[in-house]
Amino acid sequence: DAKTTQPNSMESNEEEPVHLPCNHSTISGTDYIHWYRQLPSQGPEYVIHGLTSNVNNRMASLAIAEDRKSSTLILHRATLRDAAVYYCILDSGGYQKVTFGIGTKLQVIP
Amino acid sequence: DTGVSQNPRHKITKRGQNVTFRCDPISEHNRLYWYRQTLGQGPEFLTYFQNEAQLEKSRLLSDRFSAERPKGSFSTLEIQRTEQGDSAMYLCASSLAPSGAYNEQFFGPGTRLTVL
Repeated sequence: DAKTTQPNSMESNEEEPVHLPCNHSTISGTDYIHWYRQLPSQGPEYVIHGLTSNVNNRMASLAIAEDRKSSTLILHRATLRDAAVYYCILDSGGYQKVTFGIGTKLQVIP
Repeated sequence: DTGVSQNPRHKITKRGQNVTFRCDPISEHNRLYWYRQTLGQGPEFLTYFQNEAQLEKSRLLSDRFSAERPKGSFSTLEIQRTEQGDSAMYLCASSLAPSGAYNEQFFGPGTRLTVL
């Protein structure tokens, strides 16, 4: 499985934008880039996914590098509820077996 | 409530006992996944079902572990002869996917197992 590398932790002030980086230098041409997040004491929840083009949804934006070897999850205005562990993952087949790493623990400071 | 549900939410058992967990996916979802998560780590894939067929098992799933999904609805994960190393959060997820298409996985709240 292609692996991803993320910083272990990041901090952001409330109501400021947050850019969460992810490196995936061994990504294959058919791998989708997924982001999930896990709030304390909950199961992970889907945030966004993309293949080549940048993506926007109500939760976040995903910026994908032209060579696809890195991506950035953008939270436009961090809230206290966004404090969570964010996982950047790649799928390894059409059946979506995914491999979660350690993720980035985001702390939002009031 | 139309989300993924898991029961029990917490289970404490003694080493050597057998335990069984249940997952009820979102009703129309045809794919069901089991993951294990230990403290400070991300979820680790254990196994995956497409309808009632178990299509893949991780090498983490030793012969003490067995999962079933009769009739393609709910699923059970059984651990026989539990060991202290089995202590973890067991997560279930489901998705609705035609072959080759991407669909997000919806996770349940998990079952926390503590083996004494």
